[in-house]
Amino acid sequence: DTGVSQDPRHKITKRGQNVTFRCDPISEHNRLYWYRQTLGQGPEFLTYFQNEAQLEKSRLLSDRFSAERPKGSFSTLEIQRTEQGDSAMYLCASADISNTEAFFGQGTRLTVV
Amino acid sequence: DAKTTQPPSMDCAEGRAANLPCNHSTISGNEYVYWYRQIHSQGPQYIIHGLKNNETNEMASLIITEDRKSSTLILPHATLRDTAVYYCGAQGGSEKLVFGKGTKLTVNP
Repeated sequence: DTGVSQDPRHKITKRGQNVTFRCDPISEHNRLYWYRQTLGQGPEFLTYFQNEAQLEKSRLLSDRFSAERPKGSFSTLEIQRTEQGDSAMYLCASADISNTEAFFGQGTRLTVV
Repeated sequence: DAKTTQPPSMDCAEGRAANLPCNHSTISGNEYVYWYRQIHSQGPQYIIHGLKNNETNEMASLIITEDRKSSTLILPHATLRDTAVYYCGAQGGSEKLVFGKGTKLTVNP
């Protein structure tokens, strides 16, 4: 197992376009988290899944953001009508049921121009 | 959600102990204190966590005050590779980990 994988690593998009990011968690990890991180700040929680169920969403997650985890495996995070303020690093993490330790991917860096 | 506060930066000499403080005065009884670190361009890496008792693993020690309002992460013999941003966070029954703004630790030769 190579750990948590995120794709793409970098994405540049024009304002108003839609983007979708993918996260492949560690096999057998049933918890999956999405965070957003801007320069100089700690990761901000966006949402998390247990298996395919989305259990919590942050107030940061506006109507333009949607996340899915079909079949409890990989997850996608979509941002519609991107804005310059969406520019950030989007981090995915997974954990097993004991949730002792979350493993993070290397993130997707989004730049909205 | 517990809010954590950390000094923005610290320096440490190579080979010496690095003591990184974290205040979490609003932490609730069922929230664990977690520490992660992030090296430039990488995702955060787990270091250690604890609830009430002090904890030690191969990477670090975690000292939690009796009132649980603060904690200290100790790297006993800091190396240059320990230069990173260290995040203190809390995680409780809601199962989400809430990070602070982190401390940038610079280990100097």
